[in-house]
Amino acid sequence: DAGITQSPRHKVTETGTPVTLRCHQTENHRYMYWYRQDPGHGLRLIHYSYGVKDTDKGEVSDGYSVSRSKTEDFLLTLESATSSQTSVYFCAISEGLSNTEAFFGQGTRLTVV
Amino acid sequence: GENVEQHPSTLSVQEGDSAVIKCTYSDSASNYFPWYKQELGKRPQLIIDIRSNVGEKKDQRIAVTLNKTAKHFSLHITETQPEDSAVYFCAASDTGRRALTFGSGTRLQVQP
Repeated sequence: DAGITQSPRHKVTETGTPVTLRCHQTENHRYMYWYRQDPGHGLRLIHYSYGVKDTDKGEVSDGYSVSRSKTEDFLLTLESATSSQTSVYFCAISEGLSNTEAFFGQGTRLTVV
Repeated sequence: GENVEQHPSTLSVQEGDSAVIKCTYSDSASNYFPWYKQELGKRPQLIIDIRSNVGEKKDQRIAVTLNKTAKHFSLHITETQPEDSAVYFCAASDTGRRALTFGSGTRLQVQP
């Protein structure tokens, strides 16, 4: 398995609180992604990064922000968590452009109550 | 942007039968089509992929076919086994998009 870890693996938080999820890679891959997985929706892109300090929005970016200050770390922040953000969050990395294999982390199950 | 539709959402087959999952995409510029398998509680993992300069690709019991004119591609699993039970996702991208667009997934159940 590619060297990619997510933390925490599980989190329960209250509505309105900020939450930060961390993705750490040891592969030195340029591209990093955050997806959310919900039943019936597959994997939807939240944000992605194509280098240190270079990020862009995906299709479901509202309510989320990201930061990448080092190649190995990509942080996803929910500024004020809502129940609609209850989901499983996956980080992924890829070496090259989008037409190369993406390796996924183990996922973070987030519950907003 | 790209839109990927996947069918069926659930598929149940008997062990030893074949399974076919189909996807369509909207952006004619897409040129990379991977398939991911996700077992219960696990991360998605790539099982096979195809690029637009190829019409078919096989790897043991799995194969993928691509029809660029019709903008659809399919996953074929032959001689299914219980360990093939999982959720399968198709995806599409082009070199300019930097991120995969996924279908909604197919839950395959192989009955022993």
